[in-house]
Amino acid sequence: NAGVTQTPKFRILKIGQSMTLQCAQDMNHNYMYWYRQDPGMGLKLIYYSVGAGITDKGEVPNGYNVSRSTTEDFPLRLELAAPSQTSVYFCASSYPREVPAGYTFGSGTRLTVV
Amino acid sequence: GDSVTQMEGPVTLSEEAFLTINCTYTATGYPSLFWYVQYPGEGLQLLLKATKADDKGSNKGFEATYRKETTSFHLEKGSVQVSDSAVYFCALSGITSGTYKYIFGTGTRLKVLA
Repeated sequence: NAGVTQTPKFRILKIGQSMTLQCAQDMNHNYMYWYRQDPGMGLKLIYYSVGAGITDKGEVPNGYNVSRSTTEDFPLRLELAAPSQTSVYFCASSYPREVPAGYTFGSGTRLTVV
Repeated sequence: GDSVTQMEGPVTLSEEAFLTINCTYTATGYPSLFWYVQYPGEGLQLLLKATKADDKGSNKGFEATYRKETTSFHLEKGSVQVSDSAVYFCALSGITSGTYKYIFGTGTRLKVLA
Protein backbone atom coordinates (compact mmCIF):
# COMPACT_ATOMS: atom_id res chain seq x y z
CA ASN A 1 0.00 0.00 0.00
CA ALA A 2 1.18 3.49 -0.82
CA GLY A 3 2.05 5.61 2.13
CA VAL A 4 4.67 6.47 4.72
CA THR A 5 6.50 3.61 6.41
CA GLN A 6 8.33 4.07 9.70
CA THR A 7 10.64 1.61 11.38
CA PRO A 8 11.03 0.48 14.08
CA LYS A 9 7.65 0.76 15.80
CA PHE A 10 9.12 0.55 19.29
CA ARG A 11 12.60 0.99 20.71
CA ILE A 12 14.21 1.29 24.12
CA LEU A 13 17.56 3.06 24.26
CA LYS A 14 20.00 3.60 27.07
CA ILE A 15 21.24 7.11 27.79
CA GLY A 16 24.09 7.98 25.42
CA GLN A 17 23.25 5.38 22.79
CA SER A 18 22.57 6.31 19.17
CA MET A 19 19.96 5.18 16.72
CA THR A 20 18.36 6.02 13.40
CA LEU A 21 14.63 6.17 12.88
CA GLN A 22 13.78 5.21 9.34
CA CYS A 23 11.10 6.83 7.20
CA ALA A 24 10.24 5.99 3.60
CA GLN A 25 7.43 7.12 1.31
CA ASP A 26 6.44 5.83 -2.10
CA MET A 27 4.17 8.67 -3.24
CA ASN A 28 6.92 10.79 -4.83
CA HIS A 29 6.21 13.56 -2.32
CA ASN A 30 8.70 16.41 -2.29
CA TYR A 31 8.19 17.47 1.30
CA MET A 32 8.95 15.30 4.30
CA TYR A 33 8.78 16.08 8.01
CA TRP A 34 9.72 14.70 11.39
CA TYR A 35 7.54 15.49 14.40
CA ARG A 36 7.64 14.41 17.99
CA GLN A 37 4.57 14.02 20.14
CA ASP A 38 5.01 14.02 23.90
CA PRO A 39 2.29 12.49 26.10
CA GLY A 40 -0.87 14.59 26.04
CA MET A 41 0.76 17.19 23.85
CA GLY A 42 0.55 18.30 20.27
CA LEU A 43 3.11 17.89 17.53
CA LYS A 44 6.44 19.64 17.47
CA LEU A 45 8.39 19.89 14.22
CA ILE A 46 11.96 18.59 14.50
CA TYR A 47 13.26 18.82 10.93
CA TYR A 48 11.81 19.03 7.47
CA SER A 49 12.96 18.64 3.89
CA VAL A 50 11.64 20.21 0.70
CA GLY A 51 13.48 17.80 -1.57
CA ALA A 52 16.48 15.53 -1.93
CA GLY A 53 19.61 17.19 -0.59
CA ILE A 54 17.70 19.97 1.22
CA THR A 55 16.90 19.92 4.93
CA ASP A 56 16.08 22.55 7.51
CA LYS A 57 15.46 22.85 11.23
CA GLY A 58 12.05 22.99 12.80
CA GLU A 59 11.08 24.06 16.32
CA VAL A 60 13.03 21.46 18.31
CA PRO A 61 16.08 20.26 16.32
CA ASN A 62 18.60 19.95 19.15
CA GLY A 63 19.87 16.42 19.65
CA TYR A 64 18.77 15.26 16.20
CA ASN A 65 20.14 15.12 12.69
CA VAL A 66 18.61 14.29 9.33
CA SER A 67 19.65 13.60 5.77
CA ARG A 68 17.72 13.39 2.52
CA SER A 69 19.75 11.64 -0.14
CA THR A 70 16.71 10.42 -2.08
CA THR A 71 13.13 11.58 -2.55
CA GLU A 72 11.84 8.44 -0.83
CA ASP A 73 13.88 8.33 2.40
CA PHE A 74 14.22 10.74 5.30
CA PRO A 75 16.00 9.14 8.28
CA LEU A 76 16.23 10.84 11.68
CA ARG A 77 19.39 10.29 13.71
CA LEU A 78 19.72 10.54 17.49
CA GLU A 79 23.39 10.72 18.39
CA LEU A 80 23.44 10.74 22.21
CA ALA A 81 20.07 9.69 23.52
CA ALA A 82 18.71 11.55 26.55
CA PRO A 83 15.60 10.88 28.66
CA SER A 84 14.09 14.11 27.29
CA GLN A 85 13.93 12.42 23.89
CA THR A 86 11.44 9.85 25.13
CA SER A 87 8.51 10.46 22.82
CA VAL A 88 6.53 9.19 19.87
CA TYR A 89 8.07 10.21 16.57
CA PHE A 90 6.02 10.71 13.44
CA CYS A 91 7.23 11.10 9.91
CA ALA A 92 4.98 12.76 7.34
CA SER A 93 5.08 13.73 3.71
CA SER A 94 3.19 16.08 1.43
CA TYR A 95 3.07 17.28 -2.16
CA PRO A 96 2.61 21.04 -1.90
CA ARG A 97 1.57 21.52 -5.50
CA GLU A 98 -1.66 19.79 -4.57
CA VAL A 99 -3.97 22.39 -3.12
CA PRO A 100 -4.55 21.93 -0.31
CA ALA A 101 -1.51 19.80 0.48
CA GLY A 102 -2.64 17.29 3.08
CA TYR A 103 -0.09 15.38 5.09
CA THR A 104 0.27 11.62 5.01
CA PHE A 105 1.60 10.35 8.33
CA GLY A 106 3.43 7.21 9.24
CA SER A 107 2.22 5.10 12.15
CA GLY A 108 4.95 6.34 14.47
CA THR A 109 7.97 5.11 16.42
CA ARG A 110 7.61 4.96 20.19
CA LEU A 111 11.02 5.64 21.74
CA THR A 112 11.90 5.28 25.40
CA VAL A 113 15.29 6.42 26.72
CA VAL A 114 16.27 4.96 30.08
CA GLY B 1 3.15 34.51 13.41
CA ASP B 2 0.51 32.05 12.32
CA SER B 3 -1.16 29.98 15.04
CA VAL B 4 -4.00 27.57 15.74
CA THR B 5 -5.94 27.45 19.00
CA GLN B 6 -8.14 24.53 19.97
CA MET B 7 -10.43 24.02 22.91
CA GLU B 8 -8.88 22.05 25.72
CA GLY B 9 -10.03 18.54 26.36
CA PRO B 10 -10.96 16.02 27.20
CA VAL B 11 -14.44 16.33 25.81
CA THR B 12 -16.67 13.59 27.20
CA LEU B 13 -20.00 12.83 25.53
CA SER B 14 -22.60 10.12 25.55
CA GLU B 15 -23.22 8.16 22.38
CA GLU B 16 -25.52 10.01 19.91
CA ALA B 17 -24.74 13.40 21.44
CA PHE B 18 -23.87 16.43 19.30
CA LEU B 19 -20.19 17.29 19.04
CA THR B 20 -18.49 20.64 18.60
CA ILE B 21 -14.74 21.09 18.90
CA ASN B 22 -13.71 24.72 18.55
CA CYS B 23 -10.76 25.83 16.47
CA THR B 24 -9.66 29.38 15.73
CA TYR B 25 -6.66 30.53 13.79
CA THR B 26 -4.40 33.49 13.17
CA ALA B 27 -2.78 33.73 9.78
CA THR B 28 -1.64 36.15 7.16
CA GLY B 29 -3.03 35.56 3.73
CA TYR B 30 -5.48 32.79 2.98
CA PRO B 31 -4.46 29.48 4.53
CA SER B 32 -6.02 26.11 3.93
CA LEU B 33 -7.57 24.51 7.02
CA PHE B 34 -7.64 20.88 8.10
CA TRP B 35 -8.88 18.50 10.74
CA TYR B 36 -6.87 15.39 11.52
CA VAL B 37 -7.87 12.48 13.75
CA GLN B 38 -5.54 10.26 15.76
CA TYR B 39 -6.89 6.97 17.06
CA PRO B 40 -5.07 5.32 19.98
CA GLY B 41 -1.67 3.97 19.00
CA GLU B 42 -1.86 5.29 15.45
CA GLY B 43 -0.60 8.20 13.38
CA LEU B 44 -2.71 11.17 12.34
CA GLN B 45 -5.17 10.76 9.50
CA LEU B 46 -6.62 13.57 7.44
CA LEU B 47 -10.33 13.87 8.31
CA LEU B 48 -11.44 16.86 6.25
CA LYS B 49 -10.19 20.06 4.70
CA ALA B 50 -11.25 23.44 3.27
CA THR B 51 -9.33 25.80 1.04
CA LYS B 52 -11.26 29.06 1.07
CA ALA B 53 -13.80 31.10 2.97
CA ASP B 54 -17.25 29.52 3.31
CA ASP B 55 -15.99 26.14 2.08
CA LYS B 56 -17.40 23.23 4.05
CA GLY B 57 -15.28 20.13 4.51
CA SER B 58 -17.04 16.89 5.40
CA ASN B 59 -16.19 13.24 5.96
CA LYS B 60 -17.60 10.34 8.01
CA GLY B 61 -20.41 12.53 9.36
CA PHE B 62 -18.02 15.26 10.52
CA GLU B 63 -18.25 18.79 9.12
CA ALA B 64 -16.34 22.05 9.44
CA THR B 65 -16.90 25.39 7.72
CA TYR B 66 -14.12 27.86 6.94
CA ARG B 67 -15.30 31.12 8.54
CA LYS B 68 -12.99 33.96 7.55
CA GLU B 69 -14.97 36.61 9.44
CA THR B 70 -14.51 34.79 12.75
CA THR B 71 -11.23 33.04 11.78
CA SER B 72 -12.72 29.75 12.85
CA PHE B 73 -12.99 26.16 11.63
CA HIS B 74 -15.07 24.36 14.24
CA LEU B 75 -15.55 20.60 13.93
CA GLU B 76 -19.10 19.25 14.32
CA LYS B 77 -20.87 15.93 14.22
CA GLY B 78 -24.56 15.41 14.78
CA SER B 79 -24.42 12.04 16.54
CA VAL B 80 -21.16 10.68 17.90
CA GLN B 81 -20.32 7.02 18.32
CA VAL B 82 -17.98 5.23 20.70
CA SER B 83 -15.70 4.60 17.71
CA ASP B 84 -15.20 8.38 17.34
CA SER B 85 -13.15 8.42 20.54
CA ALA B 86 -9.82 9.84 19.47
CA VAL B 87 -7.70 12.98 19.53
CA TYR B 88 -8.63 15.63 16.97
CA PHE B 89 -6.13 18.16 15.63
CA CYS B 90 -6.92 21.36 13.80
CA ALA B 91 -4.24 22.59 11.41
CA LEU B 92 -3.55 25.26 8.84
CA SER B 93 -1.17 25.36 5.94
CA GLY B 94 0.39 28.33 4.33
CA ILE B 95 3.58 29.72 2.96
CA THR B 96 6.16 31.04 5.42
CA SER B 97 9.42 32.43 4.06
CA GLY B 98 8.77 30.74 0.74
CA THR B 99 8.26 27.32 2.30
CA TYR B 100 4.97 25.47 2.58
CA LYS B 101 4.41 24.63 6.24
CA TYR B 102 1.82 23.31 8.56
CA ILE B 103 0.81 24.55 11.97
CA PHE B 104 -1.03 22.13 14.26
CA GLY B 105 -3.18 22.86 17.24
CA THR B 106 -2.47 21.02 20.48
CA GLY B 107 -5.24 18.48 19.93
CA THR B 108 -8.55 17.81 21.68
CA ARG B 109 -9.25 14.41 23.15
CA LEU B 110 -12.80 13.13 22.65
CA LYS B 111 -14.22 10.34 24.79
CA VAL B 112 -17.59 8.90 23.83
CA LEU B 113 -19.34 6.77 26.41
CA ALA B 114 -21.78 4.01 25.52
